[in-house]
Amino acid sequence: QLQLKESGPGLVKPSETLSLVCSVSGASINDYYWSWVRQFPGKTLEWIAYMHHSGGADYNPSLRSRVTMSLDASRNEFSLKLTSVTAADTAVYYCARGMVTGHYWGPGTLVSVPS
Amino acid sequence: EILMTQSPATLSVSPGDRVTLSCRASQSVGTSVAWYQQKPGQPPRLLIHGSSIRATGVPARFGGSGSATQFTLTINNLQSEDFALYYCQQYNDWMTFGQGTKVEVK
Repeated sequence: QLQLKESGPGLVKPSETLSLVCSVSGASINDYYWSWVRQFPGKTLEWIAYMHHSGGADYNPSLRSRVTMSLDASRNEFSLKLTSVTAADTAVYYCARGMVTGHYWGPGTLVSVPS
Repeated sequence: EILMTQSPATLSVSPGDRVTLSCRASQSVGTSVAWYQQKPGQPPRLLIHGSSIRATGVPARFGGSGSATQFTLTINNLQSEDFALYYCQQYNDWMTFGQGTKVEVK
């Protein structure tokens, strides 16, 4: 059974880099596309990025200059880095299986950036 | 950016009702629309993709339809576990979500 779990600091200072890891069990990370999606406090959802081990990847145009996603097949996990964060980046961050639709999701992790 | 507009914002219904949720795209997205259900404290759950294809394990009472700019999620014989927040999403041009429709107890 596929399980995903996000991990990372719950509090990031303004201007610093947000770093999250998604651990995958029950499937090989090489077999699917993987994504990051966030949900703001007002419940709006925003797709951040997707990636495949073959190198196919894309980022939300509004975040492209600040986002990096990577996969680590040896650990069966993937990660997200978002630079120069502000309070507007405060959200629940989800990892998911899928490129354009999320078929399986992690429980999410709240990341707060104080203003 | 393609805007997805859902209506209504809140739907007050009773168990057993037939419920229709609407989603309008700001430009044509073909059938590249998905629907998700979200309950408090949980991640979204994929219900429908390709406008009308039920995801694995989704009950048959959930149905999706539409193309171009108008889409509908229908829930027949609403069950108690169906009270939740529902989002539409387009993936024709990047991925964007509607603001959600809350299905609440009347």
